[in-house]
Amino acid sequence: DARVTQTPRHKVTEMGQEVTMRCQPILGHNTVFWYRQTMMQGLELLAYFRNRAPLDDSGMPKDRFSAEMPDATLATLKIQPSEPRDSAVYFCASGWLSGNTIYFGEGSWLTVV
Amino acid sequence: TQLLEQSPQFLSIQEGENLTVYCNSSSVFSSLQWYRQEPGEGPVLLVTVVTGGEVKKLKRLTFQFGDARKDSSLHITAAQPGDTGLYLCAGAQSGGSNYKLTFGKGTLLTVNP
Repeated sequence: DARVTQTPRHKVTEMGQEVTMRCQPILGHNTVFWYRQTMMQGLELLAYFRNRAPLDDSGMPKDRFSAEMPDATLATLKIQPSEPRDSAVYFCASGWLSGNTIYFGEGSWLTVV
Repeated sequence: TQLLEQSPQFLSIQEGENLTVYCNSSSVFSSLQWYRQEPGEGPVLLVTVVTGGEVKKLKRLTFQFGDARKDSSLHITAAQPGDTGLYLCAGAQSGGSNYKLTFGKGTLLTVNP
């Protein structure tokens, strides 16, 4: 049963610390998305990649956030330094760019205190 | 700016009742998707509608795409407790190599036994 895998599932960290979230997309998918979900803003697109190349990261605060795909099986989202306002659930999703279906992981629940 | 407005935000009904939730936008989308998200999990795709005026049925769920491809509705007949969850609509905008999926904030549905 293919699925998007995210780690860690839960993370509590202190303000100023670096946080790295990892995502293993479904094998064969060529598009990977990072979303952030909060009660106030809902699901916001942070960045997405096609064939490992970043296509759009306009939704991401550039000064502290960075997203990369070192290889086809791993996408990372890094926050440095983290702030309390970064507390949210971060979702990774993957799919085919030409298709209409994307599959979400279970999310990484981040709390910055 | 929220491109997709969902209403109502919250809905609590009794088992057996019918309900409709709405997704409205001033933008035209190439396709529109509906997802359901349960607590602690990522959104799961229910349906994709592509053609203006299209109606799709999934058991007790009926999805409609507006003629102008700017709005959509989800109707649930004889709701059951298992229908409880956050219902999200998402509009797709594509062009060339770009594909962007924008989500509404969702309708949180509670079906009481």
